[in-house]
Amino acid sequence: DVKVTQSSRYLVKRTGEKVFLECVQDMDHENMFWYRQDPGLGLRLIYFSYDVKMKEKGDIPEGYSVSREKKERFSLILESASTNQTSMYLCASSFFGTGSNTGELFFGEGSRLTVL
Amino acid sequence: GEDVEQSLFLSVREGDSSVINCTYTDSSSTYLYWYKQEPGAGLQLLTYIFSNMDMKQDQRLTVLLNKKDKHLSLRIADTQTGDSAIYFCAESIRNDMRFGAGTRLTVKP
Repeated sequence: DVKVTQSSRYLVKRTGEKVFLECVQDMDHENMFWYRQDPGLGLRLIYFSYDVKMKEKGDIPEGYSVSREKKERFSLILESASTNQTSMYLCASSFFGTGSNTGELFFGEGSRLTVL
Repeated sequence: GEDVEQSLFLSVREGDSSVINCTYTDSSSTYLYWYKQEPGAGLQLLTYIFSNMDMKQDQRLTVLLNKKDKHLSLRIADTQTGDSAIYFCAESIRNDMRFGAGTRLTVKP
């Protein structure tokens, strides 16, 4: 089974702190994604990556950066956390392209970040 | 841009059928998906339908696709309390996936 593991289920940080959210997948997927989930807004894409050292902005990249130094690991970085970044953060991965696969995303269990 | 739209809440009684509706944006989407999120967990793929199909049935789940109206629905027959969750509609656009806001299904005993 595909496993997407997020390093922290719950974090509490203070305004201005630097925050790292780590995500690791074990299925050799090319694509990796970071979403944030807020009530009534669904999932909004922050950043995604199609390959090592490659990154693309999603719909709401402001205030975030990412790092993909290894294929299996995709990190989300909040350089200076703010209270409006309090949210649930979801990492996902998938195979590249449609081809014979369905494009299904495999999700981690989420990291709930509270910024005080 | 345009959004994938779905209602936010649905409440049914145990044993009834649930129907969750969704409108999507891109007529060229190859696949359309329903994901389920249980409390405290990430999303899991529940079912999907290829865009050249009108209907897909999988045990208690029936997916209907109306491409003309860009309308997708998920019917859960004989809804159980374990079906209580948030259900997300999603469409694939090239290598991106666009999600609706999620419908919170509450099943009352």
